Amino acid sequence: SAVISQKPSRDICQRGTSLTIQCQVDSQVTMMFWYRQQPGQSLTLIATANQGSEATYESGFVIDKFPISRPNLTFSTLTVSNMSPEDSSIYLCSVLGPQERGGLEETQYFGPGTRLLVL
Amino acid sequence: GDSVTQMEGPVTLSEEAFLTINCTYTATGYPSLFWYVQYPGEGLQLLLKATKADDKGSNKGFEATYRKETTSFHLEKGSVQVSDSAVYFCALSANTGGFKTIFGAGTRLFVKA
Repeated sequence: SAVISQKPSRDICQRGTSLTIQCQVDSQVTMMFWYRQQPGQSLTLIATANQGSEATYESGFVIDKFPISRPNLTFSTLTVSNMSPEDSSIYLCSVLGPQERGGLEETQYFGPGTRLLVL
Repeated sequence: GDSVTQMEGPVTLSEEAFLTINCTYTATGYPSLFWYVQYPGEGLQLLLKATKADDKGSNKGFEATYRKETTSFHLEKGSVQVSDSAVYFCALSANTGGFKTIFGAGTRLFVKA
């Protein structure tokens, strides 16, 4: 299994500012993801964080708004830039965990989320 | 493209009632299917999964069977508890050309004592 921690757990920010969210995993993982969960909504994938190269963004998300770093196999950051009230969401880090012994498939694990409110 | 549709909530049940949350999917190929649970104020936890047709995933009294003929993965529990109150997400993943999980909209469950 993989244990994921996120900082901060929550924040209240002013519009026009930026916030960087950190994600730390207790084991080396190949794939890390960032999701957004807007109030009362399901999860939407923002991007896949690639170690040593630029993140892969989903349609509707751009690097200028959501820059991502992935310096090693256990850590990633997501920045929410030039925030507006529409960015108020829960931001979730996720990883594809190590294969279970003898298993063929991998399991996706999620961090506890960062609750962001933009005023 | 791939998608997941699950029943709208909220679902309100009394303790010890039978639970069914419907989930259907559309996908090319042969996806893996999952149920995740999100307790209040927490992130998502994997509840159960099934990777091929007719597989049954089970955990903590919850069950779901991968039905390819009806493209369904309904979640069931015979006797719910107050502690089962949470949001439940059905999801699929198809590891074709890159890993990606598609989530349903989520179903909120309230269990009353």
